[in-house]
Amino acid sequence: SQKIEQNSEALNIQEGKTATLTCNYTNYSPAYLQWYRQDPGRGPVFLLLIRENEKEKRKERLKVTFDTTLKQSLFHITASQPADSATYLCALDSDSNYQLIWGAGTKLIIKP
Amino acid sequence: ETGVTQTPRHLVMGMTNKKSLKCEQHLGHNAMYWYKQSAKKPLELMFVYNFKEQTENNSVPSRFSPECPNSSHLFLHLHTLQPEDSALYLCASSPGTGGHYEQYFGPGTRLTVT
Repeated sequence: SQKIEQNSEALNIQEGKTATLTCNYTNYSPAYLQWYRQDPGRGPVFLLLIRENEKEKRKERLKVTFDTTLKQSLFHITASQPADSATYLCALDSDSNYQLIWGAGTKLIIKP
Repeated sequence: ETGVTQTPRHLVMGMTNKKSLKCEQHLGHNAMYWYKQSAKKPLELMFVYNFKEQTENNSVPSRFSPECPNSSHLFLHLHTLQPEDSALYLCASSPGTGGHYEQYFGPGTRLTVT
C-alpha cells in the first residue's frame, strides 16, 4: 500500500527566510498531489494541487515541486512570516478512485 | 469559513452513550467524507459518500454508523464507543471523488470518550 513520509519533527525557520517542507512517497506514482495547511483545532485548508506531468506550481509566496523519479514533493514558502506557522499536510491520490492518502504533517514554526 | 459546518464542536461521552455528529456543506458538492484524526497520525478516512451513496467504508467498527440523507448533510452516529475512539472527527466535501478534487473541511468535532 502507499506510504507517505513527512518530517515528524517541527521545522523552525527565521522570519523572512524560505521554508522548505518535504513529502516522500513509496510504491506507485500518484497522478495528483495536494498540500493543505492545518491550524490547531481546525480542519485542513487546501493550498495547492500539482499533477504528475507538472514539475512546479506557484501561488503567491507558495511553490510546490513534484519529482516522480525521486518520488518526492517539496513545498516552499518564500519570505516566511509568523502567520505561516501551522502544520502542513501532503496528500496524494490512491489507486482507489475515492481516496486521498495523507501524510502525518510537518509543523512549521516561523520565528520573528 | 470553508462552507462546511460541523456540530457539536466538542463532545464528551461515556462508553454506553449514543450520540450523533452532524455535518452540513453549503458548496453544492457531490461527495462527502468522514475522517478521524489522532495526534501525530495521518488523517484516517472512515467513510465516503458520492451522490448520497456510500462508496467507501475503510473497515470501520460498527459502533460508527454513517448516514447521508442528501448531498448536503452527513451524520455519524456513535454508540458504545471505546476510549481509543477519542480523536478529532473531521467532515469534508468535494465536487466529486478522485485525487484531482480538493477537499473542503469543517472545523471538526473534538470527541472524548470516558
